[in-house]
Amino acid sequence: DTAVSQTPKYLVTQMGNDKSIKCEQNLGHDTMYWYKQDSKKFLKIMFSYNNKELIINETVPNRFSPKSPDKAHLNLHINSLELGDSAVYFCASSPIAGVRYEQYFGPGTRLTVT
Amino acid sequence: GQQVMQIPQHQHVQEGEDFTTYCNSSTTLSNIQWYKQRPGGHPVFLIQLVKSGEVKKQKRLTFQFGEAKKNSSLHITATQTTDVGTYFCAGPGGAQKLVFGQGTRLTINP
Repeated sequence: DTAVSQTPKYLVTQMGNDKSIKCEQNLGHDTMYWYKQDSKKFLKIMFSYNNKELIINETVPNRFSPKSPDKAHLNLHINSLELGDSAVYFCASSPIAGVRYEQYFGPGTRLTVT
Repeated sequence: GQQVMQIPQHQHVQEGEDFTTYCNSSTTLSNIQWYKQRPGGHPVFLIQLVKSGEVKKQKRLTFQFGEAKKNSSLHITATQTTDVGTYFCAGPGGAQKLVFGQGTRLTINP
C-alpha cells in the first residue's frame, strides 16, 4: 500500500485555468504539507496542516488554496494558473508537527502550464 | 528567514570514487535531516542528526553533525550507480517547518 499518494501524477493545462491536486496518506499521521519543487530542484514549503488546522502558510499567491477535509487528506486548488506555476508539487506527511520528525513524501504531481 | 546552504550544486564522479556534500547554516541548528531524491522520484528520508559532533553510518554513507551544530556533511564511500540522485539537507526554519538546502546532484560515470 502506498503511504502517501497524489493524483494526478501529471497535469498539463493552459494559463488561466483552475486545477486541483489531491493527496492522501494512510500512515495515521497528524501533519501534512505541500511543497513546490522548481526546475532547479529547489524544494520550498507552501502550506502545512496539523489535524485539519492550517499551521504554516508561506508567502504564496492567494490563487493557491489548500483544504484538509480530514487529517488523512490534503488538497491543493490553484486558480488562474500562470506559466510560473509550472513545477512539481509534492505532498508530504509526518507523525506530528515539528522539525524533529521525518517527512514522508508522495510521488509528486508535475504541473505544466502552457 | 533561516537558510541552509548546501555545496556543491553538482558533482560528477567515476564509479568507485568517494563523494561528499556539505550543508552550512549561519545559526545553530537543533537538528538536521538528510533526504535523497532519485531522478524522477520523490525525496526519501535518510537520517536525522541531533547531537553536537554526532556521526552516523549507513553502510557506505557517513553523516556528520558539526560540533557547533552549524554544519553537516554526507560522505559516500566507493560510489555505486545506485547512489545517483540529489541529496538534500534540511534544518529547522521555524518551530514547525523544515528548510531544505539547494541539494547536491550526484551523477556517476559507470
